[in-house]
Amino acid sequence: AQSVTQLGSHVSVSEGALVLLRCNYSSSVPPYLFWYVQYPNQGLQLLLKYTSAATLVKGINGFEAEFKKSETSFHLTKPSAHMSDAAEYFCAVSETGGGNKLTFGTGTQLKVEL
Amino acid sequence: DTAVSQTPKYLVTQMGNDKSIKCEQNLGHDTMYWYKQDSKKFLKIMFSYNNKELIINETVPNRFSPKSPDKAHLNLHINSLELGDSAVYFCASSQGTGGIDFGPGTRLTVT
Repeated sequence: AQSVTQLGSHVSVSEGALVLLRCNYSSSVPPYLFWYVQYPNQGLQLLLKYTSAATLVKGINGFEAEFKKSETSFHLTKPSAHMSDAAEYFCAVSETGGGNKLTFGTGTQLKVEL
Repeated sequence: DTAVSQTPKYLVTQMGNDKSIKCEQNLGHDTMYWYKQDSKKFLKIMFSYNNKELIINETVPNRFSPKSPDKAHLNLHINSLELGDSAVYFCASSQGTGGIDFGPGTRLTVT
């Protein structure tokens, strides 16, 4: 069975500071991994995905994530936080790619302060 | 615009009523889903359809009945609504391994 753990339900950073949102996965097969962002009262938007190609994945809005098999991690980073990055971020895993179900983590609320 | 759309956006109803949520995608995807997001923002899959055929049913009460008239539509009908059904319901679609595209959500409030 697949699962995702997001460490830290709330993360607060200063504008311009590094953003680091942690995600660890468990999967019985090589996983597909995703990060989604949800702004208040909106749907989920795909930030980036790992599908067994390059381990460093670049996404939209300056975000990137690195797949580390040895650590079973897929942490999300952004070098410099912007106020508009404040949102809920979800890590998700799929064992067969987008054509099958996503299992989501519990989410991390990112707050960006002046 | 190409997207996953769902109606209504908000739905307020009383316990015991029956309601439906409609979903359409014009992305040409073969697979469609219903996800439920509870009050703690936890997201869980409910159903998945591939080319109008049910492929995932995640132990959802049989008061919930999805219907896919064609591969671009996946509607959700809920009978005898309960307080615990209050949540945000997301329709979504996908093709291959590209990730899942989500609709804007329907916020269901049962009073």
